[in-house]
Amino acid sequence: AQKITQTQPGMFVQEKEAVTLDCTYDTSDPSYGLFWYKQPSSGEMIFLIYQGSYDQQNATEGRYSLNFQKARKSANLVISASQLGDSAMYFCAMRGTAYSGAGSYQLTFGKGTKLSVIP
Amino acid sequence: GAVVSQHPSRVICKSGTSVKIECRSLDFQATTMFWYRQFPKKSLMLMATSNEGSKATYEQGVEKDKFLINHASLTLSTLTVTSAHPEDSSFYICSAAYGTGAQETQYFGPGTRLLVL
Repeated sequence: AQKITQTQPGMFVQEKEAVTLDCTYDTSDPSYGLFWYKQPSSGEMIFLIYQGSYDQQNATEGRYSLNFQKARKSANLVISASQLGDSAMYFCAMRGTAYSGAGSYQLTFGKGTKLSVIP
Repeated sequence: GAVVSQHPSRVICKSGTSVKIECRSLDFQATTMFWYRQFPKKSLMLMATSNEGSKATYEQGVEKDKFLINHASLTLSTLTVTSAHPEDSSFYICSAAYGTGAQETQYFGPGTRLLVL
């Protein structure tokens, strides 16, 4: 069974500072993918960044980077130069080999971290 | 990125009525779509997986007769909450699988807030 753990229910960060949101995972699958999604108060889930288990380099997308430490089974999200618009819930998710048919696979979500950016 | 729409964004209905929610992939074809339910301040709970041209696969504890899913085309999946009751009030959000293999990513719709009176 797959499991995602986000131990920080809430985080505060000063505007323009960097912040790290923690995510650890547990899986017996040799191949898996790790995702981060942002959910503002409006409810939409916005895809931020993806890291494959076999990727040699840490993923980066603009101000978002993923600190992937495979041996520690962690996939922390780093947001640089925080902005007020970054205030939201952030979910870490993992895609393993729970087959959903037609070649698609289910995601397992963590409980989320609420990030608040302080002006 | 891939765009997924969801309609309606908000619905209020009387107990006993049925409500249909549409999920569309706007700029790509999605063989597989997923339906989630989210309670306030909680994570997403997968309800079912919808595959085009076949029956949906429901997660344990989800009533298939209560939550009817139809994936009629490669761009449209619908969730119908039948005979809705107040306990069905929730935030429902769909996603569509985009890409293949290791690059497959789920893109989400904006969600539907259902309130059953």
